[in-house]
Amino acid sequence: LAKTTQPISMDSYEGQEVNITCSHNNIATNDYITWYQQFPSQGPRFIIQGYKTKVTNEVASLFIPADRKSSTLSLPRVSLSDTAVYYCLVGDWDSSYKLIFGSGTRLLVRP
Amino acid sequence: DADVTQTPRNRITKTGKRIMLECSQTKGHDRMYWYRQDPGLGLRLIYYSFDVKDINKGEISDGYSVSRQAQAKFSLSLESAIPNQTALYFCATSDFDEDTQYFGPGTRLTVL
Repeated sequence: LAKTTQPISMDSYEGQEVNITCSHNNIATNDYITWYQQFPSQGPRFIIQGYKTKVTNEVASLFIPADRKSSTLSLPRVSLSDTAVYYCLVGDWDSSYKLIFGSGTRLLVRP
Repeated sequence: DADVTQTPRNRITKTGKRIMLECSQTKGHDRMYWYRQDPGLGLRLIYYSFDVKDINKGEISDGYSVSRQAQAKFSLSLESAIPNQTALYFCATSDFDEDTQYFGPGTRLTVL
């Protein structure tokens, strides 16, 4: 399973767009990129998943360049409630599937 | 997610005691997982089960055992708890044709 690298922490202000980049240089052909969000003392929650180019849902956008060696989670107009840890995961989803969580990126949104 | 419940939510025990953490789900998913999270770190996989007859060790299975009593129930046991097993434990589920995992609220375990 490909290892991921993310910034340890990021600060932002309410209303700003936040972009969190994840590096996954050894991503395999069959690997997907998935992002989870975790609030303190809660289980992680799925945000978005993609394979290439751009994916958008009601919560976020995920940008994946052609070489797929990195990806960027974009949170538009963050609010205080977006303060959380964000995890980038890479893996293929066959019978050996399992998630490997790194330390994630701690996002602090200030008023 | 209310569809995945864990009991107890908090537990304090002593070294050497046997502890069981329980997970139940109403999502109808085949796959279930147990993770532990230490302060400031990501989650690490302990065990996972793809159906009732399938149990697999994860990254850190030593000192733990599991039981898949039914499709909806997956229990984690610490046969003889030790202080470095103090952590937040999460259960998760996923469907066989869906990649997303759904996590329970967690159990905070303290071993004195």
